[in-house]
Amino acid sequence: GAVVSQHPSWVICKSGTSVKIECRSLDFQATTMFWYRQFPKQSLMLMATSNEGSKATYEQGVEKDKFLINHASLTLSTLTVTSAHPEDSSFYICSARVPGGTNTGELFFGEGSRLTVL
Amino acid sequence: QKEVEQDPGPLSVPEGAIVSLNCTYSNSAFQYFMWYRQYSRKGPELLMYTYSSGNKEDGRFTAQVDKSSKYISLFIRDSQPSDSATYLCAMKTSGSRLTFGEGTQLTVNP
Repeated sequence: GAVVSQHPSWVICKSGTSVKIECRSLDFQATTMFWYRQFPKQSLMLMATSNEGSKATYEQGVEKDKFLINHASLTLSTLTVTSAHPEDSSFYICSARVPGGTNTGELFFGEGSRLTVL
Repeated sequence: QKEVEQDPGPLSVPEGAIVSLNCTYSNSAFQYFMWYRQYSRKGPELLMYTYSSGNKEDGRFTAQVDKSSKYISLFIRDSQPSDSATYLCAMKTSGSRLTFGEGTQLTVNP
């Protein structure tokens, strides 16, 4: 299957600092990428849809100014958690849609990035 | 009411058992159905992808979709300890946005 790479896989930061997570599609171009958040023993919650060259679309309840998303190229999307607080500690996962001729492109996920805010 | 319902388990079976995992859903517009496997502290891995109703088989895995009942299943034959993971069902309409179930935690005991 297609490969989606996330970096870093885990990060620890102090409260009040900002953290950037990168999501790369390694062997295909992704016009659309998705960012999810997952708490322990819970399912994935979609945070935002990242579109190359345009603003991200955020889900209801997700703070745009806190979770900055940039999709500057067809293979890279970044999520920046600004002024992180302990409640932002979570597992963040990105996915990318493989382009398909019938709009049924499969979604492949990155390995996830575990953020711990002290 | 959640759009997708999945029993979180945990489910524990002996090695070699047949495992049945299920999800129900309420949105009749869902057309594409997926099963993902997620190991602890890892991202989900796509296992099966099915369009509309019917069965799909891949090795030890069989996915079934019954749109009339709004019910999907994943069967794992000859289960192995390496199958121990959380299994997430997911589905979507013609757009790209996925809706996930809660995930079922499976343990296969040697």
